[in-house]
Amino acid sequence: QQPVQSPQAVILREGEDAVINCSSSKALYSVHWYRQKHGEAPVFLMILLKGGEQKGHDKISASFNEKKQQSSLYLTASQLSYSGTYFCGTESVARGSTLGRLYFGRGTQLTVWP
Amino acid sequence: NAGVTQTPKFQVLKTGQSMTLQCAQDMNHEYMSWYRQDPGMGLRLIHYSVGAGITDQGEVPNGYNVSRSTTEDFPLRLLSAAPSQTSVYFCASSPGGSYGYTFGSGTRLTVV
Repeated sequence: QQPVQSPQAVILREGEDAVINCSSSKALYSVHWYRQKHGEAPVFLMILLKGGEQKGHDKISASFNEKKQQSSLYLTASQLSYSGTYFCGTESVARGSTLGRLYFGRGTQLTVWP
Repeated sequence: NAGVTQTPKFQVLKTGQSMTLQCAQDMNHEYMSWYRQDPGMGLRLIHYSVGAGITDQGEVPNGYNVSRSTTEDFPLRLLSAAPSQTSVYFCASSPGGSYGYTFGSGTRLTVV
């Protein structure tokens, strides 16, 4: 049920770009993205709903390909503050699934060096 | 608003003991969930609720019980603690729809 994230880890220099991918084998209603810093709780970044909408704020944006059940998170001109573990979460509309049941991937550890 | 409040922050249990992890939110959110986080495993869903009186199992429900008698509270009960339940537990809530989840600060549980 867990979505699959790739890559597992990314190391960047400040100013570089990164893409984190999330895919599911089930028909999706929504994809969530969260960032977690070491020793802290995950923090919500954005949600993409069925409909293929692309969202973003500041230099972080995301897309949702409904046909492929995939989402990508784009971090451009990365900053030191972007370091942390990024998780995607998915809600399915497949038969037997219900909304409110959010499954997370195993995370992508992003490290930004000065 | 306090957001999502989890208590206790740390707990050590002996194998076989039972305990309840508390979770309360003051945002009138309908959706609430419990996750456990283990190294390399991400966040795994234990139980979730879509409203008072409605609960359902997630992917790792064995050994845990929940109830949701009010919108605000969603306690997680460990029936007979086992070392495999050593983990960090997060409670989260959401209004649903196009909104994300707000997480509590977590409970670090060690079972010896």
